[in-house]
Amino acid sequence: AQKITQTQPGMFVQEKEAVTLDCTYDTSDPSYGLFWYKQPSSGEMIFLIYQGSYDQQNATEGRYSLNFQKARKSANLVISASQLGDSAMYFCAMREAYSGAGSYQLTFGKGTKLSVIP
Amino acid sequence: DAGVIQSPRHEVTEMGQEVTLRCKPISGHNSLFWYRQTMMRGLELLIYFNNNVPIDDSGMPEDRFSAKMPNASFSTLKIQPSEPRDSAVYFCASSHGGPYYSNQPQHFGDGTRLSIL
Repeated sequence: AQKITQTQPGMFVQEKEAVTLDCTYDTSDPSYGLFWYKQPSSGEMIFLIYQGSYDQQNATEGRYSLNFQKARKSANLVISASQLGDSAMYFCAMREAYSGAGSYQLTFGKGTKLSVIP
Repeated sequence: DAGVIQSPRHEVTEMGQEVTLRCKPISGHNSLFWYRQTMMRGLELLIYFNNNVPIDDSGMPEDRFSAKMPNASFSTLKIQPSEPRDSAVYFCASSHGGPYYSNQPQHFGDGTRLSIL
């Protein structure tokens, strides 16, 4: 089973609107972290936001927020007031504390391509 | 603040040639990762160093691939001999923390786009 599932291969959003990118995860670890990265067409991977499994509040970083629903094992990224520069691939990733494969490892989803329409 | 620096940004070479990719991690970070990204397989971890020591190289495809980290500020990934199926984007990333759980994010370099003809 996939550990990170991003069900939206591509999405469109109107400029200045908000958009939610879905991410569900699968783990039996009680302690884990969830990360979102942005990859523009230029290719670099940019860290956006982090949510820990024990964090009581949803993480926020500027226009980015993470809608963390632990019982549903979802960690959706919300981008408010979309800008043309938000057009990119977005990757959800997870790190598990007690993974036999090594708790340093990030497991990435396949990504969602977001296109912002002027 | 300087981020992770990778060189070269692009490399085009012929099959059979040796390829060396270079990485300078963020100063103070003690963990370094090499990844490969392809359309078919997404992002794959190749090797992980902690405090300059290779901890996990299980993702290295085969003996043609080797990686070194001679000091805290420099790492190389070498492919010898290169093959067309090695064509991909190779990323280096660094972070604080060790082999055990950390909430520290990995910060990626801009990547090296490698094409083997």
